Amino acid sequence: NAGVTQTPKFQVLKTGQSMTLQCAQDMNHNSMYWYRQDPGMGLRLIYYSASEGTTDKGEVPNGYNVSRLNKREFSLRLESAAPSQTSVYFCASSSVQGQPQHFGDGTRLSIL
Amino acid sequence: EDQVTQSPEALRLQEGESSSLNCSYTVSGLRGLFWYRQDPGKGPEFLFTLYSAGEEKEKERLKATLTKKESFLHITAPKPEDSATYLCAVQGGQNFVFGPGTRLSVLP
Repeated sequence: NAGVTQTPKFQVLKTGQSMTLQCAQDMNHNSMYWYRQDPGMGLRLIYYSASEGTTDKGEVPNGYNVSRLNKREFSLRLESAAPSQTSVYFCASSSVQGQPQHFGDGTRLSIL
Repeated sequence: EDQVTQSPEALRLQEGESSSLNCSYTVSGLRGLFWYRQDPGKGPEFLFTLYSAGEEKEKERLKATLTKKESFLHITAPKPEDSATYLCAVQGGQNFVFGPGTRLSVLP
């Protein structure tokens, strides 16, 4: 049982480039989340999806877009990367809405 | 505004030396308090949920307790494999807020 799988694990971008972070879960969960984790700060919610076909903004949505492609997959897109978006990004899922329970191992993103 | 603080920021213990981690919170209408463990290079791993003051949960050497203003994660006779960052989070209304974590090192 893989749980929550994120790709890629590492990425380096130049300012202005775009990229998509992929996330898939195999637990049949309705709710999925994207967080960023920065040193000295708690995990901050970027976007979440309560169910297939719905997405909502979290605490720090600016500069990001998301797509809930189907029940399994939830992707995060940076349209024009900025150095302030250098961070570790985590995807999570849960069977209870609003309570992230299972996390992937993260994507470490550096923007130069 | 819902807020979570954790102390200490970092803690070093000798193997077998019991201690406690603190999570203080302010939230409008607590729906749950959550503890996670995070190993370096990994995502958080869910440990416990506490729903009301006075509630306690245990798992191996860990015991979590909850009051109206804070939660404690008690670690009894820790082992080196307990070394990790421990995250606390609270859910109030529509918000789910994480604390910055306590980095625990247990030395053999």
